[in-house]
Amino acid sequence: QSVLTQPPSASGAPGQRVTISCSGSSSNIGSNTVNWYQQVPRTAPKLLIYSNNQRPSGVPDRFSGSKSGTSASLAISGLQSEDEAEYYCAGWDDSLKGWVFGGGTKVTVL
Amino acid sequence: EVQLVESGGGLVQPGRSLRLSCTGSGFTFGDYGMSWVRQAPGKGLEWVSFIRIKAYGGTREYAASVKGRFTISRDDSKSIAYLQLNSLKTEDTAVYYCTREYCTANSCHDAFDLWGQGTMVTVSS
Repeated sequence: QSVLTQPPSASGAPGQRVTISCSGSSSNIGSNTVNWYQQVPRTAPKLLIYSNNQRPSGVPDRFSGSKSGTSASLAISGLQSEDEAEYYCAGWDDSLKGWVFGGGTKVTVL
Repeated sequence: EVQLVESGGGLVQPGRSLRLSCTGSGFTFGDYGMSWVRQAPGKGLEWVSFIRIKAYGGTREYAASVKGRFTISRDDSKSIAYLQLNSLKTEDTAVYYCTREYCTANSCHDAFDLWGQGTMVTVSS
């Protein structure tokens, strides 16, 4: 059981927009920033979004993040076949004194 | 090239120990906090441990699931982070990733921007 809650799956046709939610609590998302990672099968995760809505250099602007209260979301617009991957939200938890991850959302491009 | 390379994984019996190493290159290792994150077969990501830079005391944090059994350390002169795994359990079976804290010019962002390729630890009798 993950501390952060994500839907197990999401899908969309090429070019469409997909949104993934991440629900937490006052000790993690409610008081700290949220990050998103993309993991293509059999590879290491890649940082996609940090500080709720910031993209590291090299991440396409098709990926965007937002946060409100104890929830966050990742949006992928103009969905492409290479976006098929597992997506994880994560953040620091003040009570646990460590990082917590969501269970992951598998995105399928139809 | 900026990279992290893990080593030390393998097959080990329950109750035994293992030491993982993470060698950084292409950046000033001592300027970054380092973490270990693991992924059990077919499962999601789980943060394991974090060690701060010397300027912040080199203090350490552990997930509840490993506290008292695992120890993180660092040798900045060699650009290596270690994870000592003691009293291993079957549920510790996972790929262990070494990660670097994401820092820009003026601040760090509680995120991991650089990941190694991972090293597999299998705990089985």
